[in-house]
Amino acid sequence: YELTQPPSVSVSPGQTARITCSGDALPKKYAYWYQHKSGQAPELVIYEDDKRPSGIPERFSGSSSGTMATLTISGAQVEDEGEFYCYSTDISGNQRVFGGGTRLTVL
Amino acid sequence: EVQLVESGGGLVQPGGSLRLSCVGSGFTFSSYWMSWIRQAPGKRPEWVANIEQVGSETHYVDSVKGRFSISRDNDKKSLFLQMNSLRVEDTALYYCAREGHGDHFDYWGQGTLVAVSS
Repeated sequence: YELTQPPSVSVSPGQTARITCSGDALPKKYAYWYQHKSGQAPELVIYEDDKRPSGIPERFSGSSSGTMATLTISGAQVEDEGEFYCYSTDISGNQRVFGGGTRLTVL
Repeated sequence: EVQLVESGGGLVQPGGSLRLSCVGSGFTFSSYWMSWIRQAPGKRPEWVANIEQVGSETHYVDSVKGRFSISRDNDKKSLFLQMNSLRVEDTALYYCAREGHGDHFDYWGQGTLVAVSS
């Protein structure tokens, strides 16, 4: 089972960044999003498609429709740069997979 | 504050062994499933193994079955990964992660690097 993300997304500060994740099981399985900055621990920014953990800025939001989940960063800031990974499972729940990652550049 | 700190990585020859450790703090370690996740250079993260709260149930990705063994010591708030018969393709940054409700990972450590090379 595979999750597919675009390799890179680039926006100017203050613009909206959208990162997509496609997978055949996403209509039935939740998507999760992680932000990974170099040298730091990956951080959960969205869980169960659209829920935001405490401490994550409100500019981060998630949605899912059909076979595509989307992470939206409204008013992206320079400190949001990094690699973003989606995560989910196959329809059986036996395969736990990550997307290939999307490098977000804000400049 | 939840913290996970890995250790034990290093350079090892093919066929060799390593034992990774992870110490958790800031949460009730014994109440959570725990996982190891790895990320090879330039590759996507790959879930490796997990273990339930008291260690009686474990699961592994097919590529490490029979070679890796996950265990835990709740008294020491520690998670372990015994890696035997290491292969070049096991080279990766290995992360310890806490599993949240709903089959995902809610906290990760910073990782420990394992390099398998002759």
